[in-house]
Order: sequence, then structure tokens, then C-alpha cells
Amino acid sequence: NAGVTQTPKFQVLKTGQSMTLQCAQDMNHNSMYWYRQDPGMGLRLIYYSASEGTTDKGEVPNGYNVSRLNKREFSLRLESAAPSQTSVYFCASKTRDRLQNEQFFGPGTRLTVL
Amino acid sequence: DQQVKQNSPSLSVQEGRISILNCDYTNSMFDYFLWYKKYPAEGPTFLISISSIKDKNEDGRFTVFLNKSAKHLSLHIVPSQPGDSAVYFCAARWPNFGNEKLTFGTGTRLTIIP
Repeated sequence: NAGVTQTPKFQVLKTGQSMTLQCAQDMNHNSMYWYRQDPGMGLRLIYYSASEGTTDKGEVPNGYNVSRLNKREFSLRLESAAPSQTSVYFCASKTRDRLQNEQFFGPGTRLTVL
Repeated sequence: DQQVKQNSPSLSVQEGRISILNCDYTNSMFDYFLWYKKYPAEGPTFLISISSIKDKNEDGRFTVFLNKSAKHLSLHIVPSQPGDSAVYFCAARWPNFGNEKLTFGTGTRLTIIP
């Protein structure tokens, strides 16, 4: 039981390049989330998916797209990377059960855009 | 606007003493509050939570207190241990059934001095 896995762990891009961050969970969770963490800013929600087939914008969606490929996988795409997108990206998942409020996080992807 | 605030970016505490981390929020609609702990190069991990209908929740060395009238919560760690050195995030849940989101604070870096 791996929990939430993210690939890659590290990535360096040049301005204008595109890439997709992959996330998968094996806990049969309905909801999945993408966050970015920047110094002094905490964790900010980029996009989330409450269930398979649905996605919604979070607090900072500009410059990103997402795909909920199936129940297990939720990918984040940067179409044209910018230096402002240099950050650590975390994927998380959560069960639909409202009595279980915690989100489970992956180990993160550290992205640098030059 | 920052709906969840952690006004102390850092805190140093002697080993064995009590660590108190604080968090303030502005939105009275939040119905659940959580604390996460984060080590460097890892994803956040859930620590403890509290419902808005309670004022205290305890789990071993960790206790969370909620003061709804002041819109304030705090995390107490007693006794503090070196392994508690980490960044702590508080988070608040927006009660949208089936579509719950968390809003995170900016984090407090706790250092336990041996």
C-alpha cells in the first residue's frame, strides 16, 4: 500500500516548456487535490477533483490544467512554464466519508523553471 | 485575503517543555480544523483535528484547543521532543458536502532544542 505517489521528484524546465506532473493513489479515495507550496505562502490549492470525472479550480489555477484520468490518477499540466511556477507541488487524496477529514499527501515534486 | 493565519513563522522550545503553536481564522463557516506536520523533503502528514462543535481534542502528547468566539486555535505539544522539530500547518475545512476543501495557514517552523 503505497498511499499517494508522485512523479517526478525533481524537474528543471526552461521558460515556455511544458510538462505533466503525475499523481496516483491506491486508497480508493474519491477526492484528489493539487497544491503548491511556496516560502511564506503555505499550501495553496491549484485544482481539485471531488470525484472521477469532475475537476474544479482552486485558489491559484492560472497557468495549469488537470486531468482526472480515472479514480486513481490525477495529473497536473503546465502548458507553458514560467519562472513564477517554480515551487514544490503536492498531490493529496481524501475519502468521501465526512467523518474522515484528513487529506493524505504525496512526497512532492520540486519544480524549477529557469 | 488570508483566511487562516499563523502569525509566528518560527518557534524554538527547549526539549521537555511545552510547545504552543497558534492559528487564527476569519471565516466562521469553517466546520473542522486540522493540524499537519511537515518534515523537509516530505509531504505533510496529518496530526490531529477538531470539530467546530468541540473546544478540545487530545491525542497523546498533542492537544488542540478551539476558541470559536476568538476564532483561534492552538496546538499544544507536551513534552516536546527533538523529533517534533518540523513545520506545522493549521488548516480549516469549508463545509461543502462532497466537495470539501481545506484552507491552509502559512506554517510555523518548530525547533526543539536538546
